[in-house]
Amino acid sequence: QSVLTQPPSVSAAPGQKVTISCSGSSSNIGNNHVSWYQQLPGAAPKLLIYGNYKRPSGIPDRFSGSKSGTSATLGITGLQAGDEADYYCGAWDGSLSDDFVFGTGTKVTVL
Amino acid sequence: QVQLVESGGGVVQPGRSLRLSCVASGFTFSSYGMHWVRQAPGKGLEWVAVIWYDGSKKYYVDSVKGRFTISRDQSKNTLYLQMNSLRVEDTAVYYCARDEQEAIDYWGQGTLVTVSS
Repeated sequence: QSVLTQPPSVSAAPGQKVTISCSGSSSNIGNNHVSWYQQLPGAAPKLLIYGNYKRPSGIPDRFSGSKSGTSATLGITGLQAGDEADYYCGAWDGSLSDDFVFGTGTKVTVL
Repeated sequence: QVQLVESGGGVVQPGRSLRLSCVASGFTFSSYGMHWVRQAPGKGLEWVAVIWYDGSKKYYVDSVKGRFTISRDQSKNTLYLQMNSLRVEDTAVYYCARDEQEAIDYWGQGTLVTVSS
């Protein structure tokens, strides 16, 4: 079961901004870096953000990440039809052993 | 370019075994930790296991402990997942993925495992 909680869905019109929250605890987000993944329909996940806010090469600056305490946020500005996908946060969790945990996932719909 | 290619999925009866493989290319395999992540049909991502770059440490999600074993063959640039005592709830697409800077930066295309009688 996921220990990182995300809203099931968010939506906005093209060109608008959406934010996705990811809530965890001191054993994961509170003491480790957060990463974010985009999964387009029928495709494998793709890394969007690592180290809380860093973007891999090729990821546009429309995508941003932040972290505060035991929560993290992914922001997408200038929403495009191609951004319609599932988004997951992730982090290492050291509560019992070194496990990696994913969020529950958020479906982004472009209206 | 980094490539991860999984194989070994298929249909298997409950209680039986299956071994997944993942051939890595385009990077120095022995320098990176590697993960298996799965996704049940219509569900979210679930982390399954990780192995350190040198194989010295391995960690598993509770639901597969004692049944699944992650391993690697550095000479073959290959990651494995031995799955024993399979259950219906293990049905999923299994992804092989690379660990980098506390994130999972590259993913394979996945291989489907269906556990059904």
